Amino acid sequence: RKEVEQDPGPFNVPEGATVAFNCTYSNSASQSFFWYRQDCRKEPKLLMSVYSSGNEDGRFTAQLNRASQYISLLIRDSKLSDSATYLCVVIPTGGNYGGSQGNLIFGKGTKLSVKP
Amino acid sequence: SQTIHQWPATLVQPVGSPLSLECTVEGTSNPNLYWYRQAAGRGLQLLFYSVGIGQISSEVPQNLSASRPQDRQFILSSKKLLLSDSGFYLCAWSVGRTARAQYFGPGTRLTVT
Repeated sequence: RKEVEQDPGPFNVPEGATVAFNCTYSNSASQSFFWYRQDCRKEPKLLMSVYSSGNEDGRFTAQLNRASQYISLLIRDSKLSDSATYLCVVIPTGGNYGGSQGNLIFGKGTKLSVKP
Repeated sequence: SQTIHQWPATLVQPVGSPLSLECTVEGTSNPNLYWYRQAAGRGLQLLFYSVGIGQISSEVPQNLSASRPQDRQFILSSKKLLLSDSGFYLCAWSVGRTARAQYFGPGTRLTVT
């Protein structure tokens, strides 16, 4: 099983739609989770952290399900500018650096295309 | 605020030629620094990370090397490029000694011909 798995998509949705992505992770000891956004031929940018109780930032809601080992990202009222690839990121442990502990594990991303 | 610079933005190099990519961070001290590669259609692969000057850890065996001559400078090098070295090279930084989010530079797109 891959460490972090995402549906590659593409998800093609109309403007104003609500869309959700899931991401599963294999290491049950993982402590930190993030969603990044990557536009075509650009660097990944941090979209939001994912907290155990779930968190919201405007139209974006992130949730964590530790029992099932997945995180989700919900985008409401999709905009054309939301078109991008969304990367799920997991940090396998919450400890200090040593070996590869603390380094981010990236999913391959889910591509979203919002159409007018 | 912190900023991260990478150069060059684009590079086309022949097989067997050397490589030097540079990354610098401003606005923070003692950052953790990272080099990633993203090959076409693939995910990000961590190549090297550094928690301090002269401290380099390699994640994958390869013909690349990294150095950190100054606190906020990270260099990726190769003596002889291979075709398989083509990709999008990204430098990133974070702070602190516990796991947290990383912030990426604009990247260098390398094509080895």
